[in-house]
Amino acid sequence: DAMVIQNPRYQVTQFGKPVTLSCSQTLNHNVMYWYQQKSSQAPKLLFHYYDKDFNNEADTPDNFQSRRPNTSFCFLDIRSPGLGDAAMYLCATSTRQGAYEKLFFGSGTQLSVL
Amino acid sequence: AQSVAQPEDQVNVAEGNPLTVKCTYSVSGNPYLFWYVQYPNRGLQFLLKYITGDNLVKGSYGFEAEFNKSQTSFHLKKPSALVSDSALYFCAVRDMDTNAGKSTFGDGTTLTVKP
Repeated sequence: DAMVIQNPRYQVTQFGKPVTLSCSQTLNHNVMYWYQQKSSQAPKLLFHYYDKDFNNEADTPDNFQSRRPNTSFCFLDIRSPGLGDAAMYLCATSTRQGAYEKLFFGSGTQLSVL
Repeated sequence: AQSVAQPEDQVNVAEGNPLTVKCTYSVSGNPYLFWYVQYPNRGLQFLLKYITGDNLVKGSYGFEAEFNKSQTSFHLKKPSALVSDSALYFCAVRDMDTNAGKSTFGDGTTLTVKP
């Protein structure tokens, strides 16, 4: 089935050790998003790609970077994770950037920072 | 600017009773409104959306929502709750008049349906 896949499901890293989270999609959607969600709070948008165009949210820390090498894959890089970066990271896609498009979410990666 | 408020952190209902999860919104233009459900340790799943037209929108799993422009509300409803409906529910809004495609989510409401 077409879907949004996030790997790994659980990721443990050490304070300050770079970590990369992966997202792939078989939906051929133009837009891919990364959200951070802490303790069942509202998902917070970090950035999104519309095709190859990168759109960073103003309050996303510089510690967070993203790469989209092709339509199917998108990566979230955390250069120096802090304890406050422990959260669920959700990848989502949509067909276009139009406001009426619903989001398709992956199951998320739960990041722990020791 | 756009924002969403879900005034209740927690909603408890008995199985078989109707349920309502409240949502109010604020946008500068016209809204696109969405409801998503999140089960424990999972991503969000789309339930339904309001774009235009009929104010009563029907979605997945027997859920529906009513758009009320004068009250700027988009409450989620179901006539008869199931235990399996227990989950975290998020309301989201997008401004129709912008092309940024950015969804703003409410803080979520935990629905607990007791047998």
